[in-house]
Amino acid sequence: GESVGLHLPTLSVQEGDNSIINCAYSNSASDYFIWYKQESGKGPQFIIDIRSNMDKRQGQRVTVLLNKTVKHLSLQIAATQPGDSAVYFCAEPPGGSNYKLTFGKGTLLTVNP
Amino acid sequence: DTGVSQNPRHKITKRGQNVTFRCDPISEHNRLYWYRQTLGQGPEFLTYFQNEAQLEKSRLLSDRFSAERPKGSFSTLEIQRTEQGDSAMYLCASSVTGGSGNTIYFGEGSWLTVV
Repeated sequence: GESVGLHLPTLSVQEGDNSIINCAYSNSASDYFIWYKQESGKGPQFIIDIRSNMDKRQGQRVTVLLNKTVKHLSLQIAATQPGDSAVYFCAEPPGGSNYKLTFGKGTLLTVNP
Repeated sequence: DTGVSQNPRHKITKRGQNVTFRCDPISEHNRLYWYRQTLGQGPEFLTYFQNEAQLEKSRLLSDRFSAERPKGSFSTLEIQRTEQGDSAMYLCASSVTGGSGNTIYFGEGSWLTVV
């Protein structure tokens, strides 16, 4: 069935390093993907999104890469800071719907000072 | 703050009691969503409204759950006869149709603990 999953449940990096969080999806018809950041005790916060007609999109210190051939996307965080410590989710609207999201379990990013 | 607002942020209730959560979406967002999140899991879709119409309900939403959005603005989620398995964070989100996309913005959530 349609699903969004993550390769690594946890990632620990040193402050200043770059972080890469990966996500696999199974629905080849998916055309929109979103990354959310969720800090402890808070709701998911929108970071960046990408549509399937793109393979790369950049934001402030973040870049999302989409590889439709292998149904994989990644979130790259440059110069990771302690404030980046959180759980990161990729999400997609399943089945072409544009009104609800399917989330994976998330990747816990820990930034060590 | 013009984000999605939820209250109460925390609720502890005894099993069997009813609870109600309120969500105020971002102004002019016509779509409103409820999700549930348990520890270590991603949010799971419960239901959504477009304006005042409830257009879809997940199978997760048992008969004890009811959501309303009477005037197409704020929404309430009521859980009747709460069970310990209802303990979770209930997230509200909103978005606007059309335009450059339909980015879904979440509130800070309402934590429910059923004892």
